[in-house]
Amino acid sequence: AQSVAQPEDQVNVAEGNPLTVKCTYSVSGNPYLFWYVQYPNRGLQFLLKYITGDNLVKGSYGFEAEFNKSQTSFHLKKPSALVSDSALYFCAVREGGYNKLIFGAGTRLAVHP
Amino acid sequence: ETGVTQSPTHLIKTRGQQVTLRCSSQSGHNTVSWYQQALGQGPQFIFQYYREEENGRGNFPPRFSGLQFPNYSSELNVNALELDDSALYLCASSRPTPSGDGYTFGSGTRLTVV
Repeated sequence: AQSVAQPEDQVNVAEGNPLTVKCTYSVSGNPYLFWYVQYPNRGLQFLLKYITGDNLVKGSYGFEAEFNKSQTSFHLKKPSALVSDSALYFCAVREGGYNKLIFGAGTRLAVHP
Repeated sequence: ETGVTQSPTHLIKTRGQQVTLRCSSQSGHNTVSWYQQALGQGPQFIFQYYREEENGRGNFPPRFSGLQFPNYSSELNVNALELDDSALYLCASSRPTPSGDGYTFGSGTRLTVV
């Protein structure tokens, strides 16, 4: 069965510093990987996805993610964090022939002024 | 283009009651999935509907059921509510592309069972 793990419950970073939110995955076959962000009392907003191609994927709001097959990782990154980036971030993998997403437990990102 | 809309936004029900949650999919999307997000956890897949048929189901009991209508809107029904059903229920619409195109999520319905 497919799965993703987000090893950090919370990540703290100062505004202006680079941020990384970690995700590792376990899949059979080629992985379809996603990152979503959730603000308080809101649904999930799509940030980016990896299907195939370049290992560095660029997404919304200046975020990018690096796919590493040998380390089975798909870490989310941003060169310069903003206070407004503070939110809950979910990594997900698509399972099966239909659009079922398997989510990690989430990582809370706190960006301090 | 319109996004995914869910109703109601909040709901309080008593244990043993039944509830219906509604979702309108994004324009151009004909696949709808439902997820349950318990407090402090990631969303868990309940089921998916395509062309008015359920075509995938997660590890949820039969008292969780759904419908999809010809206009691609959808309902999630939960019978015999239990306290553990308290959660944020998210609807997501998508196109049924093999590459797993982006999913558009609604803002969710917060269900509290007392």
